[in-house]
Amino acid sequence: GEDVEQSLFLSVREGDSSVINCTYTDSSSTYLYWYKQEPGAGLQLLTYIFSNMDMKQDQRLTVLLNKKDKHLSLRIADTQTGDSAIYFCAEKNTGRRALTFGSGTRLQVQP
Amino acid sequence: DAGVIQSPRHEVTEMGQEVTLRCKPISGHDYLFWYRQTMMRGLELLIYFNNNVPIDDSGMPEDRFSAKMPNASFSTLKIQPSEPRDSAVYFCASRSGGSYEQYFGPGTRLTVT
Repeated sequence: GEDVEQSLFLSVREGDSSVINCTYTDSSSTYLYWYKQEPGAGLQLLTYIFSNMDMKQDQRLTVLLNKKDKHLSLRIADTQTGDSAIYFCAEKNTGRRALTFGSGTRLQVQP
Repeated sequence: DAGVIQSPRHEVTEMGQEVTLRCKPISGHDYLFWYRQTMMRGLELLIYFNNNVPIDDSGMPEDRFSAKMPNASFSTLKIQPSEPRDSAVYFCASRSGGSYEQYFGPGTRLTVT
């Protein structure tokens, strides 16, 4: 079955870059996503990448995909205290309409 | 665009009571998903609909859970009878069939005592 793994916690200082990592097992994954969840809120779609891409950049966010190693990362440049949240990696393949989520990485940004 | 709307935002009920959670997807979206989030199991898909028809309900825990989508703008998730282990945050999400962007509602935090 499909499995998505993330580390549970990451702490960085304000202004530094954050890198959140994710690994997945489904070799037929076609779309990979990053969502952000702030306390008491729903999941906010940050960005997603097609499996035929290596990189996608959107302002302070950079997504890197290593399809061979089934490794996805999210880099947040110039991390701010407002970036403190839980970040979920998710994947989808063409055979399924729903997403499979990782357990989330809690990002703590220290001033 | 108001986004996905869920109600109530918080629900506290006693064991054995019926609970109904409601969702209004984004207008024009033809896929609707119900997820449950707990500390122990993370985010789990319960059921999803396409054009108001349930497609995959394999994630529904047991017969106490049921979901309906009577029209394109409304869905319910019902738990009857509720149990303390049903306490979780329930999310509704929707997307258009022509897109890969799935949008979540704010969730309903359910507490069963």
